[in-house]
Amino acid sequence: QKEVEQNSGPLSVPEGAIASLNCTYSDRGSQSFFWYRQYSGKSPELIMFIYSNGDKEDGRFTAQLNKASQYVSLLIRDSQPSDSATYLCAASLSYNTDKLIFGTGTRLQVFP
Amino acid sequence: EAGVTQSPTHLIKTRGQQATLRCSPISGHTSVYWYQQALGLGLQFLLWYDEGEERNRGNFPPRFSGRQFPNYSSELNVNALELEDSALYLCASSLAAGRGEKLFFGSGTQLSVL
Repeated sequence: QKEVEQNSGPLSVPEGAIASLNCTYSDRGSQSFFWYRQYSGKSPELIMFIYSNGDKEDGRFTAQLNKASQYVSLLIRDSQPSDSATYLCAASLSYNTDKLIFGTGTRLQVFP
Repeated sequence: EAGVTQSPTHLIKTRGQQATLRCSPISGHTSVYWYQQALGLGLQFLLWYDEGEERNRGNFPPRFSGRQFPNYSSELNVNALELEDSALYLCASSLAAGRGEKLFFGSGTQLSVL
């Protein structure tokens, strides 16, 4: 059983639209959650992390966490073609980054 | 500032051989992590080293091992290679394994086992 699940996509959105990426996790003890972006052939890079229920905004990105529903999401406003990548959701049982459980990622395609 | 560097970029081995992968963290980073990214699977946590000590390991057999050197660089060893070990091996580093510490990933070593 996968511990962190994501729809593999691709999720296709037009330029300027809001892209909504979703992630569920199975371990209720998970404390911290991370979104990484991975361009094809490149290494993952951290976009956002969130610990508390609710929303956390950073520029065009908003992470949302609902621990009761074991659900994490990432919203990308004003999507750009350069946002086209695979987005990886990760969870950790601690507040530290020592052992992240990653989902398989959602591929996002933003078309002009 | 140099990022996380990994070598070699590609490694081809045959079943039963041993593979050694190397990682140099960003200067000043003391924590090094190893992840396996197999085709169609998410990143799987392998090992975490901090200050020269193994702090945690994932659900991998003992033939996956490694070490961290005094200069914080790290080595991942995979013994008795199996076909399913073929994957991209990513190394990451952070200042410390603290709350919200950002992991910086290297470009990876693509290991192919024939």
